[in-house]
Amino acid sequence: AQSVTQLDSHVSVSEGTPVLLRCNYSSSYSPSLFWYVQHPNKGLQLLLKYTSAATLVKGINGFEAEFKKSETSFHLTKPSAHMSDAAEYFCVVSSMNRDDKIIFGKGTRLHILP
Amino acid sequence: DSGVTQTPKHLITATGQRVTLRCSPRSGDLSVYWYQQSLDQGLQFLIQYYNGEERAKGNILERFSAQQFPDLHSELNLSSLELGDSALYFCASSVRIYSEQFFGPGTRLTVL
Repeated sequence: AQSVTQLDSHVSVSEGTPVLLRCNYSSSYSPSLFWYVQHPNKGLQLLLKYTSAATLVKGINGFEAEFKKSETSFHLTKPSAHMSDAAEYFCVVSSMNRDDKIIFGKGTRLHILP
Repeated sequence: DSGVTQTPKHLITATGQRVTLRCSPRSGDLSVYWYQQSLDQGLQFLIQYYNGEERAKGNILERFSAQQFPDLHSELNLSSLELGDSALYFCASSVRIYSEQFFGPGTRLTVL
């Protein structure tokens, strides 16, 4: 069985400071991991994905995430927050195992302070 | 623009009624997913289809049903609607069963 935990429901950072959104997962098979972003009243947009290639994954809008198998983590980071980054972020786990389903985390709402 | 289209954008109806939401996946995508998003429940996976066949089921109520047609578009049918069914309903599509999903803009359903 798979699961995903987003450790913070809300994160607030000042504009220009680093962003860290934390995600831990569990999977009995080699997982695929994704981060999605949802701006208010919009659909979800894929930020980046990990599918067993490089452990450091670069995504759109300056975001990146590092797959750490030993820590079962896939934290999302950005060196410098921008006001437009204010949104909800979802961590997602899936695998090729037929018995596994795609699991979405509960989301982290990112607030950017001026 | 993700390439996934959903109609209608907004739907207002009364309790006890039945509605149909429609989704057209990205060109080439075989898998379609349906999600419900509300303030109290968050994002809930409802059901997944792959090339016309049901692939996985999530928290889908018995009053709800879906299907994927030969041209790969999908419909989500919601019947005996209740106030609590008011939510944003998203459709997503992907090339393979567990690859990244591309989301449509959603249908906002309001049940009065």
